[in-house]
Amino acid sequence: EAQVTQNPRYLITVTGKKLTVTCSQNMNHEYMSWYRQDPGLGLRQIYYSMNVEVTDKGDVPEGYKVSRKEKRNFPLILESPSPNQTSLYFCASSFLAGGSYEQYFGPGTRLTVT
Amino acid sequence: GDSVTQMEGPVTLSEEAFLTINCTYTATGYPSLFWYVQYPGEGLQLLLKATKADDKGSNKGFEATYRKETTSFHLEKGSVQVSDSAVYFCALSEPGSGNTGKLIFGQGTTLQVKP
Repeated sequence: EAQVTQNPRYLITVTGKKLTVTCSQNMNHEYMSWYRQDPGLGLRQIYYSMNVEVTDKGDVPEGYKVSRKEKRNFPLILESPSPNQTSLYFCASSFLAGGSYEQYFGPGTRLTVT
Repeated sequence: GDSVTQMEGPVTLSEEAFLTINCTYTATGYPSLFWYVQYPGEGLQLLLKATKADDKGSNKGFEATYRKETTSFHLEKGSVQVSDSAVYFCALSEPGSGNTGKLIFGQGTTLQVKP
């Protein structure tokens, strides 16, 4: 089954404690990205990757890091989480179809930073 | 910059009612337009899309028409079901932005359908 998986699904942590949210896709997509979803703001892109070892900032990259060492994996790293990073996070992978990218989203990771 | 504006929710309808969720956009080029749906506890799923003016996207009884003259992409369904209860997101992808594929989302509209 084609899918994007994220782990963990729920995470409660404390300020300053480094954490990693994993993301993996089995569709051989080149393009992957991370979004955060906040009430009233929709989803906003954090980082994206066009291919292995190619990453770039999205609209809200501050406080986050990513890496793309393998095509299927795109982990999101919070080196020193703060309460304003409490949010619902989605990983997505996509392919170009008919002139536009069609994105597949993971199930989400709900992060709470206290 | 590019942006998407959706009607405020929540929208509450009775089963079999007609649904319209308004979406307008601002973009410098010719974006592709999308509707995504998020069921409770799940990720977003692509519902339909349109890539050029006057295109109509349709899926599962939902449809939306790309109106360049009014910069709109309103979502409609003739008869909603309880199972349609979800959050609906309008989004655009600007093909001119170096093909990064970034989606710009509206704030989402919650639809609740009552039996």
